[in-house]
Amino acid sequence: GAVVSQHPSRVICKSGTSVKIECRSLDFQATTMFWYRQFPKQSLMLMATSNEGSKATYEQGVEKDKFLINHASLTLSTLTVTSAHPEDSSFYICSARDGLAGGPYNEQFFGPGTRLTVL
Amino acid sequence: GQSLEQPSEVTAVEGAIVQINCTYQTSGFYGLSWYQQHDGGAPTFLSYNALDGLEETGRFSSFLSRSDSYGYLLLQELQMKDSASYFCAGLSSNTGKLIFGQGTTLQVKP
Repeated sequence: GAVVSQHPSRVICKSGTSVKIECRSLDFQATTMFWYRQFPKQSLMLMATSNEGSKATYEQGVEKDKFLINHASLTLSTLTVTSAHPEDSSFYICSARDGLAGGPYNEQFFGPGTRLTVL
Repeated sequence: GQSLEQPSEVTAVEGAIVQINCTYQTSGFYGLSWYQQHDGGAPTFLSYNALDGLEETGRFSSFLSRSDSYGYLLLQELQMKDSASYFCAGLSSNTGKLIFGQGTTLQVKP
């Protein structure tokens, strides 16, 4: 099956620093990638939709200047948490959709997630 | 917009059958997916219903009724390893986005 990787799997940083998280589709081309955030014991909340070669679309309430998304190729999207603060500590998960698969529904494949802890 | 509701917790014994319900309100609903997530892990895809009816995959089955805006996940022959959180997620035909329900924590007891 399709594989999505994320790097790093875990990161601890000081308040005020920026953290970059990479999401890669390993064996398929992902025209669309999605970024989610999950706080403990809560659901996955969609943050933004990333389309290759264009600007990301952010969900209501998500600060686009704080969460910078770049989708420069069909296999890589990055999320940069700028000036991170303790309240940004969360589990960040990306998913990717196979852009070449046929049919109106393309399954989303999830990465293993990145656990961010901001001290 | 979309919203999906499911029970927060369910407890069952090993070997039993459990049903996790999901009701949704959504515009441009295309289909209903189910995901399993163990503590500390990423969601893993279980099933997807685009049409009304039952989809069976091994011990897991999923059902959808569009007229009732309702679906469920049925887990049979429960095993201890099935203890996890289960999320229903609605797929929007307008945006292709998956919107997740709040999740149901399933605890399987011996």
